[in-house]
Amino acid sequence: EAQVTQNPRYLITVTGKKLTVTCSQNMNHEYMSWYRQDPGLGLRQIYYSMNVEVTDKGDVPEGYKVSRKEKRNFPLILESPSPNQTSLYFCASSLVPGTKNIQYFGAGTRLSVL
Amino acid sequence: QKEVEQNSGPLSVPEGAIASLNCTYSDRVSQSFFWYRQYSGKSPELIMSIYSNGDKEDGRFTAQLNKASQYVSLLIRDSQPSDSATYLCAVELTGGGNKLTFGTGTQLKVEL
Repeated sequence: EAQVTQNPRYLITVTGKKLTVTCSQNMNHEYMSWYRQDPGLGLRQIYYSMNVEVTDKGDVPEGYKVSRKEKRNFPLILESPSPNQTSLYFCASSLVPGTKNIQYFGAGTRLSVL
Repeated sequence: QKEVEQNSGPLSVPEGAIASLNCTYSDRVSQSFFWYRQYSGKSPELIMSIYSNGDKEDGRFTAQLNKASQYVSLLIRDSQPSDSATYLCAVELTGGGNKLTFGTGTQLKVEL
């Protein structure tokens, strides 16, 4: 089954404790992206990757890191989480960068930072 | 001005009615437009894409695009309670890198 898989689905942590949210897709997509979703603010892009070893900042990259060492994986790293990073996070992928490419979303990771 | 704007709602319609959802965008040269449906706590799910002016129909859904006026709309005919969700408008802005900019969504409630 074609899908974008995120883990964990739920995570409660404390301020400053490094964490990684994994994202994997099995569709051979080149483009991957991370979003966070907050009430009243909608979906905002954190980082994206056009291909392996190519990543770039989205609209709200502060406090996050990513890597793209393999085509299928795009982990999101919070080196020192803070309470303002409490949010619902989505990973998405699409076949290739460019116009008309539909993005497919993972199931989401709900993160609470205490 | 926000890049993609939607009325947050909630928009309430009776079962069987037509629901009309609207979205405006600021980038005149945007080329790709999408409607996603999102149930509470779930991930966005694509329901329609549209790339050229006019109407595009898929089952009970019709997307309408007017690039001159910079708006895109979604009509849902014969609305069902299962259509109750938040509908996100997404626009692929130029300069792209496949960047989608989302509106904050319109909550639709279909009442029995």
